Amino acid sequence: EIVLTQSPGTLSLSPGERATLSCRASQSVRNNYLAWYQQKPGQAPRLLIYAASSRATGIPDRFSGSGSGTDFSLTISRLEPEDFAVYYCQQYGDSPATFGHGTKVEIK
Amino acid sequence: QVQLVESGGGVVQPGRSLRLSCAASGFTFSYYGMHWVRQAPGKGLEWVALIWSDGTSKFYADSVKGRFTISRDDSKNTLHLQMDSLRPEDTAVYYCTKGDSPRGGYSTPWGQGTQVTVSS
Repeated sequence: EIVLTQSPGTLSLSPGERATLSCRASQSVRNNYLAWYQQKPGQAPRLLIYAASSRATGIPDRFSGSGSGTDFSLTISRLEPEDFAVYYCQQYGDSPATFGHGTKVEIK
Repeated sequence: QVQLVESGGGVVQPGRSLRLSCAASGFTFSYYGMHWVRQAPGKGLEWVALIWSDGTSKFYADSVKGRFTISRDDSKNTLHLQMDSLRPEDTAVYYCTKGDSPRGGYSTPWGQGTQVTVSS
């Protein structure tokens, strides 16, 4: 199965700053089928990005995804208070679908 | 709007069984692949199972293969997860998610989750 390694484990930033999260795959992700999800405490995850760079419906344009093959990233251009959460990447190009262990974006 | 509501969670002893259900509404249920994803306390997300829209193909994580069975009832817009031979490590919140295509794909949206606790 494809192993996804997310870094850093925790990102400490202030509102208004730029956040860059990394997701590296152990092998190439077929068709760049890589998604990003946001999860806040006590809530279900929410889809942000699919197919590496396509923004899901209703997601603000401060969220952007990039990358291909084995290296992907999620960028939040200017952090809003509601963006402090845990972010997971997922590859769905091969079975079993797999998730990274998550990056927590916390207020500095 | 699309809604997924899980039910059936609870506290169960190791080795016993539990059946989860997910009631879907707001979309053409029979067209989409459906997933179960779980999250152990304080841990990350783990994909558990996928069923294609036509029900002909089912896929499982190695950790549950042979013990869990995913199924769907398109007449009732309901997804199920039959969990047998439960272990303490199966303790988690179980989420039902809608795939983006007949064969699954990414997950959106997610239900609110149902808690399963396996303990003696």
